[in-house]
Amino acid sequence: DVKVTQSSRYLVKRTGEKVFLECVQDMDHENMFWYRQDPGLGLRLIYFSYDVKMKEKGDIPEGYSVSREKKERFSLILESASTNQTSMYLCASSLADISNEKLFFGSGTQLSVL
Amino acid sequence: DAKTTQPNSMESNEEEPVHLPCNHSTISGTDYIHWYRQLPSQGPEYVIHGLTSNVNNRMASLAIAEDRKSSTLILHRATLRDAAVYYCNPRVQFYFGTGTSLTVIP
Repeated sequence: DVKVTQSSRYLVKRTGEKVFLECVQDMDHENMFWYRQDPGLGLRLIYFSYDVKMKEKGDIPEGYSVSREKKERFSLILESASTNQTSMYLCASSLADISNEKLFFGSGTQLSVL
Repeated sequence: DAKTTQPNSMESNEEEPVHLPCNHSTISGTDYIHWYRQLPSQGPEYVIHGLTSNVNNRMASLAIAEDRKSSTLILHRATLRDAAVYYCNPRVQFYFGTGTSLTVIP
């Protein structure tokens, strides 16, 4: 089975800190994604990547950056954390095959910014 | 961008069929329609996907309208473990909405 692993289940940070959220997948997927999930707002796409060193903005990229130096790893960076970035963050990966592009999600990281 | 519309919530009695609708009127001809579900405290999981024809797997069936502007996820016999938020998602955008929260009544 595909496994998407997020480095932390719970994370507490202070306002202004630089925060790294790590995601690793073990199935050689080309595509990787970062979402945030908030009550009443569903899942919103922050950034995605179709290949190493490539990135595309999603719905809500402001305040975030990403890094994909290796195919299996996709990092989400909060340059200066703010309280409105308190949320559940979900990473996902998929093949690039249009007929089989189903997403596999990690368990999520609940980030609290104080 | 393709947008989806789903009811916010639905209820079903246990062991009865459930039909979860989704409208995706702006879908393009090459977009596969994916469905996911999210159980409490977990990340979403894949349920089923299709392009034009109806699809079946061990979890559910997917009925796609002939004009592809809507689809319906069918759970043939709802169980308590099917209580979750269900999302439909046309392939291209990978943007999820708020989905449908399914409550299964014992």
